[in-house]
Amino acid sequence: DAGITQSPRYKITETGRQVTLMCHQTWSHSYMFWYRQDLGHGLRLIYYSAAADITDKGEVPDGYVVSRSKTENFPLTLESATRSQTSVYFCASGSTSVYEQYFGPGTRLTVT
Amino acid sequence: GNSVTQMEGPVTLSEEAFLTINCTYTATGYPSLFWYVQYPGEGLQLLLKATKADDKGSNKGFEATYRKETTSFHLEKGSVQVSDSAVYFCAFSWGRRALTFGSGTRLQVQP
Repeated sequence: DAGITQSPRYKITETGRQVTLMCHQTWSHSYMFWYRQDLGHGLRLIYYSAAADITDKGEVPDGYVVSRSKTENFPLTLESATRSQTSVYFCASGSTSVYEQYFGPGTRLTVT
Repeated sequence: GNSVTQMEGPVTLSEEAFLTINCTYTATGYPSLFWYVQYPGEGLQLLLKATKADDKGSNKGFEATYRKETTSFHLEKGSVQVSDSAVYFCAFSWGRRALTFGSGTRLQVQP
């Protein structure tokens, strides 16, 4: 009954380090999404996935990598973190039959 | 390009006041429209939705009507409560099902 979970909830990392944010959903939704939330910008799409092994870029993909080997997981990796990637990251999922999305609780990432 | 424009906040109201948060969109075709709400320290929750012109979405006393002619989806509530204090996001979904969000409007309701 967990729905959609994200881990870690808070992360501090240094510039240049690789960091992976995890997202797991229990609904077997086909679609999964990663957004970042920054003051004044609302939420912006980083990457999305329509199904396992199918991913595509969103509005702000640079510096991020995603994979989706299983339907329920959609990790987001920052290959070499930069200060501009300090943000709150939200994962979301959605089914094929409706357009609304369901969001995880978010990961607050600080890059020092 | 596709975009959502929301009124800037914060919007500060007294309890039981009437609320309107304006939202207009620019999109090709006929997208589905949404309002999401974010309470402090939490993720976004779907508040209401409308999938075609003239549809009215409603939930928890909030309403919004899909106006194709004015490309608007204004959020309204007749009597706000302190517990409604949150950030409200207008969004639309199209094509690949990703959401395009407005920048959010913070609502502060004072007792």
